[in-house]
Amino acid sequence: EVQLVESGGGLVQPGGSLRLSCAASGFTFSSYAMSWVRQAPGKGLEWVSAISSSGGSTYYTDSVKGRFTISRDNSKNTLYLQMNSLRAEDTAVYYCAKSAGSNPFYEFDPWGQGTLVTVSS
Amino acid sequence: QPVLTQPTSLSASPGASARLTCTLRSGINLGSYRIFWYQQKPESPPRYLLGYYSDSNKHQGSGVPSRFSGSKDASSNAGILVISGLQSEDEADYYCMIWHSSAVVFGGGTKLTVL
Repeated sequence: EVQLVESGGGLVQPGGSLRLSCAASGFTFSSYAMSWVRQAPGKGLEWVSAISSSGGSTYYTDSVKGRFTISRDNSKNTLYLQMNSLRAEDTAVYYCAKSAGSNPFYEFDPWGQGTLVTVSS
Repeated sequence: QPVLTQPTSLSASPGASARLTCTLRSGINLGSYRIFWYQQKPESPPRYLLGYYSDSNKHQGSGVPSRFSGSKDASSNAGILVISGLQSEDEADYYCMIWHSSAVVFGGGTKLTVL
């Protein structure tokens, strides 16, 4: 069974940093692209970033470019999201999701349970 | 104008069919995109339902009942999700998604009420 388990969320002050992790199991992690998607409280889904299976290609939504970095360690079956210069508007539940292929341009299936990031003073 | 526009809410009766739309912004060619659909229930992550490009190129998510189906309406430049034989458990938020210019775009979501 494919499982994605996010961790690393919490309360951080504006301007602070946080690193999210997503531990994957039940599939050959190194063969699939991965993404991060967030959902602010009571709001809709917003894609944040994606990374190819090798890690050689990365993609970001405009609002996080230069602040967030997606990466992966295929030896540890783990996806990461380094978040710097955090803002109040980054407050959301962050989900990791598996793509159906080695590049990200597919559906997201499945999704993890999510980890809550709260940016507040 | 957003890239993808979904009605905020929709109501339908048990046993009836619900037709959810996802309209692409004018100038964006529906025929060039695979439309993905997700279902999200309260306090749960989204669940992948299906992807639709054409009748010969579509994909149903694992375990997703066949009463969930996708299509396109070229006249309105919209992707369509039809849920037939509505059940109370279908009450949820539904999101459409496309890959556009190497980035993901989600629609704002439609809250489906079954009553």
